[in-house]
Amino acid sequence: EIVLTQSPATLSLSPGERATLSCRASQSVSNYLAWYQQKPGQAPRLLIYDTSNRATGIPARFSGSGSGTDFTLTISSLEPEDFAVYYCQQRRNWPLTFGGGTKVEIK
Amino acid sequence: EVQLLESGGGLVQPGGSLRLSCAASGFTFSSHAMSWVRQAPGKGLEWVSGITGSGGNTYYADSLKGRFTISRDNSKNTLYLEMHSLRAEDTAVYYCARDKTTAGPNWYFDLWGRDTLVTVSS
Repeated sequence: EIVLTQSPATLSLSPGERATLSCRASQSVSNYLAWYQQKPGQAPRLLIYDTSNRATGIPARFSGSGSGTDFTLTISSLEPEDFAVYYCQQRRNWPLTFGGGTKVEIK
Repeated sequence: EVQLLESGGGLVQPGGSLRLSCAASGFTFSSHAMSWVRQAPGKGLEWVSGITGSGGNTYYADSLKGRFTISRDNSKNTLYLEMHSLRAEDTAVYYCARDKTTAGPNWYFDLWGRDTLVTVSS
């Protein structure tokens, strides 16, 4: 099973700041990695798939990069609605796995 | 409206069984692979099981050890998850989720249901 490790667990930032979230895989997932956003009491929302492709309707301030085992989600300038938990997910191997999440909180 | 609506959750005793349903509407259900994803209280996301659009292929998390069975009825636009020998650690909200493409599954999820809570307790 591919283990995805996200860091940091919590990121404390102010609106307007840049957020950089990391996801590291225990073995290569090629570019088969997605990012989701989840707000309290809501279902997750797909942000990025195949490392760097934004899903439909996702603002351009969200971007993804990386390959192999190291991936990054960047939010260029945090909006109030961006404070949430973010998860990465790989589809390279069965079983599909998610990372443990990074909470982006208001500083 | 494009949506997924789960049902069937509830309180069940350890060792018991439950069947979850997920009714799809607003899109061609049979064209999309589907999955179940769960989230224990205060914890992260855990993929549980997936099934291709035709229902011909199914996939499971290693931890389930044959206790869960995923299925679908494309004539009813409904996805199912049969759960047996339930344990306290199966307590979670369960989401059904749609694969984002129709051109063969890619196992990314662009549409999620509103979840159903399963509580395993005596």
